[in-house]
Amino acid sequence: DGGITQSPKYLFRKEGQNVTLSCEQNLNHDAMYWYRQDPGQGLRLIYYSQIVNDFQKGDIAEGYSVSREKKESFPLTVTSAQKNPTAFYLCASSLGQGTAEAFFGQGTRLTVV
Amino acid sequence: GNSVTQMEGPVTLSEEAFLTINCTYTATGYPSLFWYVQYPGEGLQLLLKATKADDKGSNKGFEATYRKETTSFHLEKGSVQVSDSAVYFCALSSTSGTYKYIFGTGTRLKVLA
Repeated sequence: DGGITQSPKYLFRKEGQNVTLSCEQNLNHDAMYWYRQDPGQGLRLIYYSQIVNDFQKGDIAEGYSVSREKKESFPLTVTSAQKNPTAFYLCASSLGQGTAEAFFGQGTRLTVV
Repeated sequence: GNSVTQMEGPVTLSEEAFLTINCTYTATGYPSLFWYVQYPGEGLQLLLKATKADDKGSNKGFEATYRKETTSFHLEKGSVQVSDSAVYFCALSSTSGTYKYIFGTGTRLKVLA
């Protein structure tokens, strides 16, 4: 089945550590996105990529990094510079053109311990 | 810039009641509009979409009409069920330059039996 797979579903990190969240899609979509969701809040865009080897900062990119070496993959690294990383992270993809909708993964819940 | 405003929740209804969740937007050009639904601990699922003025999106008894004159895309359902309890997000896709999605803050719906 086509879709977006995020892993792991739950992730625990010690303060000062970097962690990488995985996002893979087999929908042949050009565009991919990372959002952060906090309780009672909407989705805030961290990074997005419209094509392989290219990506742009979203509204809250500080403390995060990404890469887009393959069309199918868009991993997100939460660095130690991110002061409040505990959140629910959502990856999405789309055709990146016209009237296309975004498809979402199941999310990764990151907790700093 | 582009933005989406949703009515604040939570919205609590009895089963079989009529549902309206208001959504208004600000955008240049002609964005596409979407409603997504999120169940606890999961990612977002597309509920319906509309891509031009006066289009009506519909799915699973939910409907929303793209009103350009009032910049609105209100979600309605004639008779809600307990299984409709979830968080609903209104979103738009940008219409120029980079292609990305902007979400409202979400409206939690609770349906009581």
